[in-house]
Amino acid sequence: GAVVSQHPSWVICKSGTSVKIECRSLDFQATTMFWYRQFPKQSLMLMATSNEGSKATYEQGVEKDKFLINHASLTLSTLTVTSAHPEDSSFYICSARDRKGAETQYFGPGTRLLVL
Amino acid sequence: GENVEQHPSTLSVQEGDSAVIKCTYSDSASNYFPWYKQELGKRPQLIIDIRSNVGEKKDQRIAVTLNKTAKHFSLHITETQPEDSAVYFCAAPISGGYNKLIFGAGTRLAVHP
Repeated sequence: GAVVSQHPSWVICKSGTSVKIECRSLDFQATTMFWYRQFPKQSLMLMATSNEGSKATYEQGVEKDKFLINHASLTLSTLTVTSAHPEDSSFYICSARDRKGAETQYFGPGTRLLVL
Repeated sequence: GENVEQHPSTLSVQEGDSAVIKCTYSDSASNYFPWYKQELGKRPQLIIDIRSNVGEKKDQRIAVTLNKTAKHFSLHITETQPEDSAVYFCAAPISGGYNKLIFGAGTRLAVHP
């Protein structure tokens, strides 16, 4: 149980294009999902909290117009990196919490983004 | 806001030895403390967690201890094996709803055969 998937697992794109990453909870419903970014040999940095049916809340320093988040259902959140630049290249990981209320966050496998 | 410090940043042990990783947190209202293991290029996996109403929790070779007064919690791995080699992250919740987590900087554990 408690499986979270992400798609795609890796993506290479040209500078200036937009990339959409999907995060799905496969066997539970998640009212809250989280998006993290992880640079090589560094920790996970929370970017934003995605709430089903409402606007996402962004951490300080994260541009909401650049990282668009949509949480359209209890099992799907999407992160769109708009007008990607090489400095956006990173490992993007989502996590999800079961709506039943436990604090545990289950992580997706991550998406490796390379912007050329 | 919450701040989580993790030590050491790297830890090298011989197979069979014990490994201890320590984290301190700043928000006295924090009540949930998970530990994650991340292998290279993979997702973080929850290995153990503890809530503030207990001081210790054990699961086979892994244990976590919590000192609420001192605001620190530790991960203990006994009888280490090469497959324990990974990066370990502690985390603590940020106040303000949604149980957002802030992660420590990570500890790279190497277990040598």
